[in-house]
Amino acid sequence: QSALTQPASVSGSPRQSITISCTGTSSDVGGYNYVSWYQQHPGKAPKLVIYEVTKWPSGVSNRFSGSKSGNTASLTISGLQAEDEADYYCCSYAGRTKWVFGGGTKLTVL
Amino acid sequence: QVQLVESGGGVVQPGGSLRLSCAASGFTFSSYGMHWVRQAPGKGLEWVAFIRSDGSSEYYVDSVKGRFTISRDNSKNTLYLQMNSLRTDDTAVYYCAKLVGVPATTDFDCWGQGTLVTVSS
Repeated sequence: QSALTQPASVSGSPRQSITISCTGTSSDVGGYNYVSWYQQHPGKAPKLVIYEVTKWPSGVSNRFSGSKSGNTASLTISGLQAEDEADYYCCSYAGRTKWVFGGGTKLTVL
Repeated sequence: QVQLVESGGGVVQPGGSLRLSCAASGFTFSSYGMHWVRQAPGKGLEWVAFIRSDGSSEYYVDSVKGRFTISRDNSKNTLYLQMNSLRTDDTAVYYCAKLVGVPATTDFDCWGQGTLVTVSS
C-alpha cells in the first residue's frame, strides 16, 4: 500500500496549461479505471475535480481533464487561473476494497 | 444541504485512545459506504478505513489494522472511528468522507471539515 507518486510541485502562468502525473502500479492505477483527482486549498477539505479517470463531476470546469496510460494517470488543467493554485491529489482504487492516494502536488500560478 | 461534521479530536498521549464521530445530514446515509481519510500536518492525504453501507464489512490501511475500528449507526446517521494504541505518527487531521463510488453510479463525493488528533506526551 505505497502512496502513488506525484511531482512535489508544478507551476504555470495564467492561460497556460499544466499536467500533473500520478504513477502507481498494475495493482492500483494500472489495474482499474477508478482514478480520481482532488483539489485542496489551504485549510479546506479536498474537492473532487475528476473521477473514473476522465469524468467531470457536476459543477467542475471542463478546464480540468484526466487521462491514463498504463500505470500513470494525469490531470491537465488548461487556461490556468489564479484560483487553480492549490494542492492536487490523485486517488486510485487498489483492489480488495482499499484505496491509495498520491503524495500531492502543489500547483503555483505564476 | 449535504453535510458531514466530525468531532472528537484532541490531544492524547502515546498508547492512548480516542473516538471520532461524524454526523451526516442531507443525504441517505444508510445507502453509502463511508471512509476515514487522514492528513498529517503539512503532508498528503492517506486513506485509513472504509465501511460498507450496512456496516457488514470493514477495511483498513495496514498501518492501523488491529488498532483502529470503523463503525456506523445508521439510525443516528453517524460514522465512528475508534482509535486505540495511538502513536505519534497517527497525528493528523481526520476527515470523514463519502468518496465517489467504485464504480460510480453518480458523482456524489463529500468530505467533512476534519478534526485534529494530536498524539503527544
